[in-house]
Amino acid sequence: QSALTQPRSVSGSPGQSVTISCTGTSSDIGGYHYVSWYQQHPGKAPKLMIYDVSKRPSGVPDRFSGSKSGNTASLTISGLQADDEADYYCCSYAGTNTLWVFGGGTKLTVL
Amino acid sequence: QVQLQESGPGLLKPSETLSLTCVVSGYSISSGYYWAWIRQPPGKGLEYIGSIYHSGTTYYTPSLQSRVTISVDTSKNQFSLKMSSVNAADTAVYSCVRHGGSSGLDPFDYWGQGTLVTVSS
Repeated sequence: QSALTQPRSVSGSPGQSVTISCTGTSSDIGGYHYVSWYQQHPGKAPKLMIYDVSKRPSGVPDRFSGSKSGNTASLTISGLQADDEADYYCCSYAGTNTLWVFGGGTKLTVL
Repeated sequence: QVQLQESGPGLLKPSETLSLTCVVSGYSISSGYYWAWIRQPPGKGLEYIGSIYHSGTTYYTPSLQSRVTISVDTSKNQFSLKMSSVNAADTAVYSCVRHGGSSGLDPFDYWGQGTLVTVSS
């Protein structure tokens, strides 16, 4: 099982907002500001959507936002679009021994 | 544009050694960054395997450390993964990825398309 816990699935209608949670521990999410989120469409490579908890790479729409509270990080997608339907993975730095841990992924369905 | 391309055998028998190579184009490995391998078993989540810095310093996830070796060939601008004694649980899509920046803590920003490795007798 994955080190970080994500809901298996979430859904929303076009135009709505959805939030995907990612729960870890004080050894990963709670201990560092290095949380990132990746979008993966079927058969495609993951795409970086959020890094350092809340920063967006160039080219990622501002509909995507990230936050963190304690040991839980969240990805919020507002103004849902059909193309947002994908799997989303969270990732956190977990120190010099464990290094990087991922969540099990959340399937977003746009109804 | 940074591009990464994995190559290697797609089918292995249990106990064999997995060997994959990642050729990088559009960026010189010698210029910096960390170069990682990440895998994804069919229908499951992502798992970090390890990374190498251009200097050759390596970092491995503890659960795989005893079986994994990552090396770099800066003259060919490529890096490689070897995993010994594979079993069915090692069946996955293996992807090579750039990350880290100068601190090692920057996110995974460029990914290869991934290559499926199946372990079966």
